[in-house]
Amino acid sequence: QKEVEQDPGPLSVPEGAIVSLNCTYSNSAFQYFMWYRQYSRKGPELLMYTYSSGNKEDGRFTAQVDKSSKYISLFIRDSQPSDSATYLCAFQGGLTGGGNKLTFGTGTQLKVEL
Amino acid sequence: KAGVTQTPRYLIKTRGQQVTLSCSPISGHRSVSWYQQTPGQGLQFLFEYFSETQRNKGNFPGRFSGRQFSNSRSEMNVSTLELGDSALYLCASSLAPAAVNEQFFGPGTRLTVL
Repeated sequence: QKEVEQDPGPLSVPEGAIVSLNCTYSNSAFQYFMWYRQYSRKGPELLMYTYSSGNKEDGRFTAQVDKSSKYISLFIRDSQPSDSATYLCAFQGGLTGGGNKLTFGTGTQLKVEL
Repeated sequence: KAGVTQTPRYLIKTRGQQVTLSCSPISGHRSVSWYQQTPGQGLQFLFEYFSETQRNKGNFPGRFSGRQFSNSRSEMNVSTLELGDSALYLCASSLAPAAVNEQFFGPGTRLTVL
């Protein structure tokens, strides 16, 4: 069983739609949960970061974590063409475990159309 | 502030050759991690360096090696290249190896092995 499962898409939505991106994980040692966005020919950039179950909001983006179900989600409201990118979920162990090692999902390719 | 820089950006090699990739972290960052990104496997952790010491290593063969210099710049080397080594190699830097420190990715080096 893979440590992280992520629907690869591609996902195509109209501008203004609400987008839901999801990942499941199996490693209980993961304590930090992240979403990265990667544009074509660029490195990933951190979008959202959280370490507790529940919701965290930042502008049009909401990250949701359910540790009991080992499930994380990213919601994008009022999606824009500039949101077209690959979204990667990422996980990290605790402060004393794994250092900076990130375990990534395979990424979901999102296209927001006009 | 300048971001993470990686050189070269593109590289073409043939099977059996070796290659060295370079990463210059953000000024003041002392932790550098390397990742391999392929369409099939996604982003996979290679290794992490802090203060010139390898702190963590991913599940890659010994042909993959790295080092970090006193100025925090890092290099990774792949010897006896195989076709399957074709990938985007990404470097990420952070202040130190702790989950609370955001990792910033460079644009990557695209390696093609013929």
